Amino acid sequence: DVKVTQSSRYLVKRTGEKVFLECVQDMDHENMFWYRQDPGLGLRLIYFSYDVKMKEKGDIPEGYSVSREKKERFSLILESASTNQTSMYLCASSIQAANIRISNEKLFFGSGTQLSVL
Amino acid sequence: SQQGEEDPQALSIQEGENATMNCSYKTSINNLQWYRQNSGRGLVHLILIRSNEREKHSGRLRVTLDTSKKSSSLLITASRAADTASYFCATCQGGSEKLVFGKGTKLTVNP
Repeated sequence: DVKVTQSSRYLVKRTGEKVFLECVQDMDHENMFWYRQDPGLGLRLIYFSYDVKMKEKGDIPEGYSVSREKKERFSLILESASTNQTSMYLCASSIQAANIRISNEKLFFGSGTQLSVL
Repeated sequence: SQQGEEDPQALSIQEGENATMNCSYKTSINNLQWYRQNSGRGLVHLILIRSNEREKHSGRLRVTLDTSKKSSSLLITASRAADTASYFCATCQGGSEKLVFGKGTKLTVNP
């Protein structure tokens, strides 16, 4: 069965800390995504990647960076965590159809990381 | 930028009843997808309908797409308590590379 694994289910960090959220998929998918989910705001795309070492900004990239050194792993980095980054973070992956960078095919999600920044 | 918007925001029904959720969007799309999220968990893909399709079925789920009205509906028939979850539509605009989610409909099915 397909699997997207996020390294932590719950995480508590202090303001100013550097935070790494890790995501690994075992489906050999080209595309990987990071979303954050907040009550009343739904899911918002932070960054996505369609290939190793490639990344593109989503709708809310400020305060975040990403790393994709290997195809199966996509990391989200909070350089200096702030309280407004307290949120549920969701990683997802998808296959890439031929001839287009992002396939619009279905996403497979991890279970999420609930991050609290104090 | 929010593309899909679900309606209603919340829905409470009795077990055995049908549940209908609607999604409206603003621009042309390649496809529209519906996802389900149990409380505090990741999203699970339910069904994908392409812009040239009008209706699609999967088990107790029926999805319709009306591109002239820029809207879609998700019907869950004979609902069960286990269907209690939030349901999201997601769209990808023509020419865009991002899948954009709505804010979701919270469905409660009472036993």
